Amino acid sequence: DAGVIQSPRHEVTEMGQEVTLRCKPISGHNSLFWYRQTMMRGLELLIYFNNNVPIDDSGMPEDRFSAKMPNASFSTLKIQPSEPRDSAVYFCASNEGGSYNEQFFGPGTRLTVL
Amino acid sequence: AQRVTQPEKLLSVFKGAPVELKCNYSYSGSPELFWYVQYSRQRLQLLLRHISRESIKGFTADLNKGETSFHLKKPFAQEEDSAMYYCALRGAGFQKLVFGTGTRLLVSP
Repeated sequence: DAGVIQSPRHEVTEMGQEVTLRCKPISGHNSLFWYRQTMMRGLELLIYFNNNVPIDDSGMPEDRFSAKMPNASFSTLKIQPSEPRDSAVYFCASNEGGSYNEQFFGPGTRLTVL
Repeated sequence: AQRVTQPEKLLSVFKGAPVELKCNYSYSGSPELFWYVQYSRQRLQLLLRHISRESIKGFTADLNKGETSFHLKKPFAQEEDSAMYYCALRGAGFQKLVFGTGTRLLVSP
């Protein structure tokens, strides 16, 4: 298994543009998490899904951010319109669900908004 | 509220020296505590969790409920330990992890 897959690995865009980040969880995992990593705030949970259903989106910073999970093998995080302060590394993680299972992280997408 | 504090952004030691990465937490219930590590150009991965009570790569961490701490320790640091370390908390019955801001450990030869 290749683990959690994220694309693109790097994204450079201009302020105001729409950005879509993609994630493929590990097969068989039914929980998926989106995190944002910055120097100042470390790793912050943005949203997570159980069985494709959003459970907690309290970490989503603004309405400009949205996330979907149309099926068990794919999720997107969209920023529209993007702003320079959105520049960060965005991680996706998945696990088998339940409170005691390890989360497995993807390689991250480094987003730069100019 | 769930909160994790890692007071040091950078910890620099020499090879062979003892290491202690500090982690304090705030949570009213019974937490589950973790240490995650991110080596250069690698994915974030679980290093250890308090319920396992095990030593991984020579690292140990003890949950101290009185001091609300979960410090990561290693008696003799190695250069390959250089990485970013994150302490994380999960509240009882919750799935989400709350991370600290991370500590970069730099082990020099």
